[in-house]
Amino acid sequence: DTGVSQDPRHKITKRGQNVTFRCDPISEHNRLYWYRQTLGQGPEFLTYFQNEAQLEKSRLLSDRFSAERPKGSFSTLEIQRTEQGDSAMYLCASSRGTGSPNQPQHFGDGTRLSIL
Amino acid sequence: GENVEQHPSTLSVQEGDSAVIKCTYSDSASNYFPWYKQELGKRPQLIIDIRSNVGEKKDQRIAVTLNKTAKHFSLHITETQPEDSAVYFCAASASLVGNQFYFGTGTSLTVIP
Repeated sequence: DTGVSQDPRHKITKRGQNVTFRCDPISEHNRLYWYRQTLGQGPEFLTYFQNEAQLEKSRLLSDRFSAERPKGSFSTLEIQRTEQGDSAMYLCASSRGTGSPNQPQHFGDGTRLSIL
Repeated sequence: GENVEQHPSTLSVQEGDSAVIKCTYSDSASNYFPWYKQELGKRPQLIIDIRSNVGEKKDQRIAVTLNKTAKHFSLHITETQPEDSAVYFCAASASLVGNQFYFGTGTSLTVIP
């Protein structure tokens, strides 16, 4: 399977703990995106990388959230001091391209986070 | 920033009938409009997309139309089948502003056999 892969699929943790998710994009894609999706809503943009550079961050991304893509390949999203409101599906997507125009984004299966 | 509204939130059709889902956007700079299908517990999958220099695009039973003046675009599914049942999301993005997609709130389509 050469699609976007995310790990883990599910994460259950207690409030206040730190969690880290991993995303492996499609190998030839240089753009990588993180989204958050809650029940009954569309994905909400969190942050975006082009190669290893983090180029955009949503205002939704509080200082408890940090994302990295150190070698321009896989990415990690860390949430520190988790809160109940962090419970959601965290989706990763990747696409080709540099500059305009935008290209289709291909999504992974997501990591479902549940905060107890 | 961009605001995308999607209607209806739920839609039920008889098998073989057509289904239409409509989206509006607010940012005139938006120039790329993808549609995603998401089955329960699965990843969103791109089903069709359209760029602002095109008014309509078709792919077998699926078509998308775009009206830039009115800032709305629609998904049309003809000859619906039970396997078309899913949640459909529209999105908009503006490549000159950034690369994020702004998604609608989704339409839950049920095709009744």
